Amino acid sequence: DAGVTQSPTHLIKTRGQQVTLRCSPKSGHDTVSWYQQALGQGPQFIFQYYEEEERQRGNFPDRFSGHQFPNYSSELNVNALLLGDSALYLCASSLIQLNTEAFFGQGTRLTVV
Amino acid sequence: TQLLEQSPQFLSIQEGENLTVYCNSSSVFSSLQWYRQEPGEGPVLLVTVVTGGEVKKLKRLTFQFGDARKDSSLHITAAQPGDTGLYLCAGEMDSSYKLIFGSGTRLLVRP
Repeated sequence: DAGVTQSPTHLIKTRGQQVTLRCSPKSGHDTVSWYQQALGQGPQFIFQYYEEEERQRGNFPDRFSGHQFPNYSSELNVNALLLGDSALYLCASSLIQLNTEAFFGQGTRLTVV
Repeated sequence: TQLLEQSPQFLSIQEGENLTVYCNSSSVFSSLQWYRQEPGEGPVLLVTVVTGGEVKKLKRLTFQFGDARKDSSLHITAAQPGDTGLYLCAGEMDSSYKLIFGSGTRLLVRP
């Protein structure tokens, strides 16, 4: 049973560029959340998707957007990249009725130069 | 302002010693989770506690949720080098779907 998979694992982008990160949830899970983890910090909630809609959003600018597909996989898009966007981006999946049982992927390490 | 404060931030101990990590807040949480994260990996869920005063044991790890559901602790007995990692607490509030994480406790267990 594959867990949560994210791609790519590492990415280097230039300021001002756009990036798309991808996530496949754990088999059977229907809810996907995205988190940003800066170096030395705990993860910060970006948003959560369920039934292809954004269910809740954290304190992140509109440059951060997402999408969930009918197969429950998800994408995180970040436009107009800033140096401060450099972080580990984590995807977590869960079942809607067990939101507290979140399983995380290994993350995508984004470096903006 | 960090909603969940973890202490200590760093801990370096000898194999065989005991330790306790704390997670404190002024807010009430409907549930609280503990995760362990290793370098280059995502957090791995260790336990979820939902009832005030609840105590859960996972081998040498003991987790407690405060009576008022505002704080939690993780106690490790006879620590081993394999326990080394970043320990994160995360809480969920009523009417919210997001997990609020603490900044973590970085544990190093020396052989």
